[in-house]
Amino acid sequence: GAVVSQHPSWVICKSGTSVKIECRSLDFQATTMFWYRQFPKQSLMLMATSNEGSKATYEQGVEKDKFLINHASLTLSTLTVTSAHPEDSSFYICSERTSGRDTQYFGPGTRLTVL
Amino acid sequence: TQLLEQSPQFLSIQEGENLTVYCNSSSVFSSLQWYRQEPGEGPVLLVTVVTGGEVKKLKRLTFQFGDARKDSSLHITAAQPGDTGLYLCAGALTDSWGKFQFGAGTQVVVTP
Repeated sequence: GAVVSQHPSWVICKSGTSVKIECRSLDFQATTMFWYRQFPKQSLMLMATSNEGSKATYEQGVEKDKFLINHASLTLSTLTVTSAHPEDSSFYICSERTSGRDTQYFGPGTRLTVL
Repeated sequence: TQLLEQSPQFLSIQEGENLTVYCNSSSVFSSLQWYRQEPGEGPVLLVTVVTGGEVKKLKRLTFQFGDARKDSSLHITAAQPGDTGLYLCAGALTDSWGKFQFGAGTQVVVTP
């Protein structure tokens, strides 16, 4: 299967700062990437869908100005949490889906803690 | 609204016992995936089922996709402590930008 990496694996930041998380597909040329957040002992909540060269599609209730997504190349998508607050602390996971494949592969996740 | 109803939410069994996790929906999916997730890690794909009525086996794990492609089950035979984890089902929606709908997850704990 595809290999997806995320960087960093964990980050601690002060309230009000911005944090960038990278998601990179190592094996395939990912056409679509998804960004999820997950709270403890809960399932994944889709935040947005990202395609190379186009604007991300955000799920209802997700602030696009707060969670900036850039998908500059087929293999790289970034999520920037702007002006982070403690309630943004969560586990953020990306995944990729290659065109023609009906499966998504996940990155290892990024633990964000905002103090 | 959860399109994919996953049950049970929590399952605690002893080593050697069998268990079954269910995912049900009123929606039709083009495919359905099962994942296992360990704490602090991303979900790892176990299987993808595509054809209605399909049965796939992965060692002690048996996956079924309903005939109408609306439901699925995961059965583990003779569970081992290494099977402990959060099991997630995800259905591939046929529209909506190719998104996936996740179940709420089943936390499985297998004690020695």
